[in-house]
Amino acid sequence: QQQVKQSPQSLIVQKGGISIINCAYENTAFDYFPWYQQFPGKGPALLIAIRPDVSEKKEGRFTISFNKSAKQFSLHIMDSQPGDSATYFCAASILSRTASYDKVIFGPGTSLSVIP
Amino acid sequence: NAGVTQTPKFQVLKTGQSMTLQCAQDMNHNSMYWYRQDPGMGLRLIYYSASEGTTDKGEVPNGYNVSRLNKREFSLRLESAAPSQTSVYFCASSERTGGPDTQYFGPGTRLTVL
Repeated sequence: QQQVKQSPQSLIVQKGGISIINCAYENTAFDYFPWYQQFPGKGPALLIAIRPDVSEKKEGRFTISFNKSAKQFSLHIMDSQPGDSATYFCAASILSRTASYDKVIFGPGTSLSVIP
Repeated sequence: NAGVTQTPKFQVLKTGQSMTLQCAQDMNHNSMYWYRQDPGMGLRLIYYSASEGTTDKGEVPNGYNVSRLNKREFSLRLESAAPSQTSVYFCASSERTGGPDTQYFGPGTRLTVL
């Protein structure tokens, strides 16, 4: 029930196209859903995040769509660029009101390649 | 600010050897974490430290030990390395500031156990 599923495992998109990565979860207690971006040889870095009280969040070319009833969320990258080529991890956590940290469950990752 | 630093970047061990992975952060964060990353598995939490002087097991703690040396440093030790511990290890840190805490990751240590 703590798992976060992610698809596809890898994705190849033409420059200028839309990249879509899908995630699903089971635990309805999750209340924070970040996406991390990881370039080769680097550590993951927070890209964008959403809480379940909104259905969509947009930051520049990156949009998270959230479907609470289906327990699914997705990342859309508009006008994909070669510089977006990276591994993307969706994640879920339960925001703790007492602990000093939030335990994060990561999806398995999607390797995105944007070709010119 | 260097953020989160990890040493070494690469390491090759033989089965049964021991080693310590070092991690330091200069962001004055209270919480620190060790993850391992394996293909198709995402990042799995090995150990975490909510504050200086405290450590707790994560999802996959077997075969590892940790030390929170001070607020800045959090080390991960493999006492008797096994091939199953071949992985990329990431250290991270975070600080609660009233909302969801963002974890900041180091560049990773790529470990191969032969």
